[in-house]
Formats: sequence, C-alpha cells, structure tokens
Amino acid sequence: AQKVTQAQTEISVVEKEDVTLDCVYETRDTTYYLFWYKQPPSGELVFLIRRNSFDEQNEISGRYSWNFQKSTSSFNFTITASQVVDSAVYFCALNQAGTALIFGKGTTLSVSS
Amino acid sequence: SAVISQKPSRDICQRGTSLTIQCQVDSQVTMMFWYRQQPGQSLTLIATANQGSEATYESGFVIDKFPISRPNLTFSTLTVSNMSPEDSSIYLCSVADRGDYGYTFGSGTRLTVV
Repeated sequence: AQKVTQAQTEISVVEKEDVTLDCVYETRDTTYYLFWYKQPPSGELVFLIRRNSFDEQNEISGRYSWNFQKSTSSFNFTITASQVVDSAVYFCALNQAGTALIFGKGTTLSVSS
Repeated sequence: SAVISQKPSRDICQRGTSLTIQCQVDSQVTMMFWYRQQPGQSLTLIATANQGSEATYESGFVIDKFPISRPNLTFSTLTVSNMSPEDSSIYLCSVADRGDYGYTFGSGTRLTVV
C-alpha cells in the first residue's frame, strides 16, 4: 500500500527564516511520482512540483527547493527567506501514473512579519 | 494545463436533501477524480470516474450516497445524497494534466449541512 507521512502538523516561522517541510513516503512500486501542493487560506490547491522516481536531482525554483532521496524515501521541501504570503497548508502526495493522488495530512505553515 | 470549472463554489443545505456538484474541463480527459476534504483535514479520494463506465469507489464511500455521472470526456457530476452535518466538507474534482503540470484541481465546493 502507498502512504505519505508529513510528521510536522504545524510550523511557525518569522519572515526571512528558512523552513523545511518534511515528507516521507511508502510504496512498493519502482515507478511512482511525488508531488507538492500549496493550499492557501482561500482554499484552492496550487501545484508546485512533480518528480518521478527515476529523477533524484534536486530542484530549485526561486525561493523553493526540493530534495528527493530514494534511500530515505523522502521528498522534502524548503522555502528560503520565507514571506507572509507563504502561509498556507502544504501537501505532499504520491501516485503511480494515471492513478489518483494519495495525500499526506499536510503541514500548516504560518509566517509572521 | 487543464482548466476546471467547478460549481457551485459553496452551498448551505438542509439535512436530508441532496446536492449535485458539477465539474467542466476545458479539454478531454480519460479519468476524473473526486475528493473530500473535511474541515482541517487532508484530501480523501471518494471515487475515480471514467467515461462510459461506472465510477470506482474507495473504501468507505458508496454509490448510493455519492452517485457520480460521467456522460462525456469533459464533464462529471458528484451528488451528495441524503445529507447530514457530517457531510459538511469541501468537495473537489481533479484531472491529470499532460506533461509535468501535475494534477489540476477544481476550485472546490464548500458544503455546509445544517
């Protein structure tokens, strides 16, 4: 069975701090995909990244970066120099191609000024 | 990426009634997914809807309570039947995008049952 664990329920930081959101996954499949989504207070789900199981290169997009390590089954997300607008719930998710996403429980990030 | 129009965006309903949620996609997609997000919780898959066949429901969800229609490759409906306050949630539809855009989600239907 597939499972995604986000052990951090809530994180509070002050603006400009760096913050890492942890994601650990379980799957028996050799081919799978990992995702991060942001859900701001308005409620919509915003796609951030998709990574396939054969690509362990780290990804950087502006202040966002992702670290994928198959050896530890982790796909962690770091926000550098956090801003108030980063306040949201962040979900890590997992699937096989063409199937529904399995979500972790989410991490609520609060960034104060 | 695909664009999904989901209606209604929110509703307040009386217990015992039913609500039908619609999702319209701007491109043809094979599968559509319906999720429920209870207050303060993560997203839980209700069912997968394929065009031309019955939806596949996840454990804990049944067709009598959540009937799904998928008449063509761009449209689907989810009905929440015989509602109770426990059905108060956000309901979202989703489709798989081509390429690296991940999965697109509708804007959600925020349902309150009183």
